[in-house]
Amino acid sequence: EVQLVESGGGLVQPGRSLRLSCAASGFTFDDYAMHWVRQVPGKGLEWVSGISWNSGSIGYVDSVKGRFTISRDNAKNSLYLQMNSLRAEDTALYYCAKDIGYDILTALGDWGQGTLVTVSS
Amino acid sequence: QSALTQPASVSGSPGQSITISCTGTSSDVGSYDLVSWYQQHPGKAPKLMIYERSKRPSGVSNRFSGSKSGNTASLTISGLQAEDEADYYCCSYAGSSTFVVFGGGTKLSVL
Repeated sequence: EVQLVESGGGLVQPGRSLRLSCAASGFTFDDYAMHWVRQVPGKGLEWVSGISWNSGSIGYVDSVKGRFTISRDNAKNSLYLQMNSLRAEDTALYYCAKDIGYDILTALGDWGQGTLVTVSS
Repeated sequence: QSALTQPASVSGSPGQSITISCTGTSSDVGSYDLVSWYQQHPGKAPKLMIYERSKRPSGVSNRFSGSKSGNTASLTISGLQAEDEADYYCCSYAGSSTFVVFGGGTKLSVL
């Protein structure tokens, strides 16, 4: 059974940093691309970032380019999102999601339960 | 990176069929068959219902079907059931610069 468990969320002041982690199990992690998707409570889904199986292809939504960095450690079956210079508008529930393929092809077949990031002074 | 356009809400009665549209551009929906659809119940994580325009993952009911014409993709749910009441999101690949774009979501009410 695929399991994706996010951690690292919390309350942080504007301008500070936070690192999200996603522990994956139940599948061969390095066979699949991975994504971060966020959702403001009560609002829609927004793709944040994706990374291919070998980190050779990486993408970000425009609003986080230069501030967020996605990475993965295939030896540890883990996905990360380093979030710097956080803004109030980054407040959301952040989901880790597994692609159905090895490249960033946007079919997110499995999702974690999310970790809440709140940016506020 | 503009969001794909979906109706805010649709409704139908049990047993009926409904269709949710998802309008993009020639840079996303119109250029790729990499359209997917997600169902999200309140307080739950999204669930993949359709991928690559019209393919169903294992375990998804064949009451759910996907299609595309030009820059617009559609999700059709036939034989509506109470448990289909949820939010539905479309998603498309948008090239190797933008990568991924979601629709704004559609709330389906089963009356």
